[in-house]
Amino acid sequence: ETGVTQSPTHLIKTRGQQVTLRCSSQSGHNTVSWYQQALGQGPQFIFQYYREEENGRGNFPPRFSGLQFPNYSSELNVNALELDDSALYLCASSLGDRASFETQYFGPGTRLLVL
Amino acid sequence: SQQGEEDPQALSIQEGENATMNCSYKTSINNLQWYRQNSGRGLVHLILIRSNEREKHSGRLRVTLDTSKKSSSLLITASRAADTASYFCATGIQGAQKLVFGQGTRLTINP
Repeated sequence: ETGVTQSPTHLIKTRGQQVTLRCSSQSGHNTVSWYQQALGQGPQFIFQYYREEENGRGNFPPRFSGLQFPNYSSELNVNALELDDSALYLCASSLGDRASFETQYFGPGTRLLVL
Repeated sequence: SQQGEEDPQALSIQEGENATMNCSYKTSINNLQWYRQNSGRGLVHLILIRSNEREKHSGRLRVTLDTSKKSSSLLITASRAADTASYFCATGIQGAQKLVFGQGTRLTINP
């Protein structure tokens, strides 16, 4: 157990809809990162938040956005869903301000299916 | 494109044998990490090796890093059925705020 939780575990949406995924980090972990993992692929970095500010972003369009709250919870929002957004979405928390330097503690993921 | 490339993509061995997985990468790194994933669930951290380290051990796991060749290997000794999973290397890129994962090696341990 990593102490990182995500909700919901599974979700089905239709194309064009919006979705919000939630993550609760380990207490004391100031950084949360979000990843998208398509079937049979490795996780792809979406973005990272440190103390409620985005401080790193991967090659994802602006319709992917996030929020981080002072109580170690965070959200990933995806607008105008597309079929290719179907994937496992993982959040990961870490202590410091740079995920590239540290061990990431992953949640179990939310599996999103877009029809 | 993926920074890390694992080799082989799939590996099937008998219980008790050793399993070796390799990872190659392209740019300068702060560290290289190995993670395990069971059946499309969350990733579990195994080992972090820093760019100035050459070898690290944790239980039945041994990781090596060769920065001159931009490659790493993960050795699992005396494999068990419970080691069946996908294994990913992830590189902490210098100057970037992220880990970059490879596509993984699917390891199957046959009883």
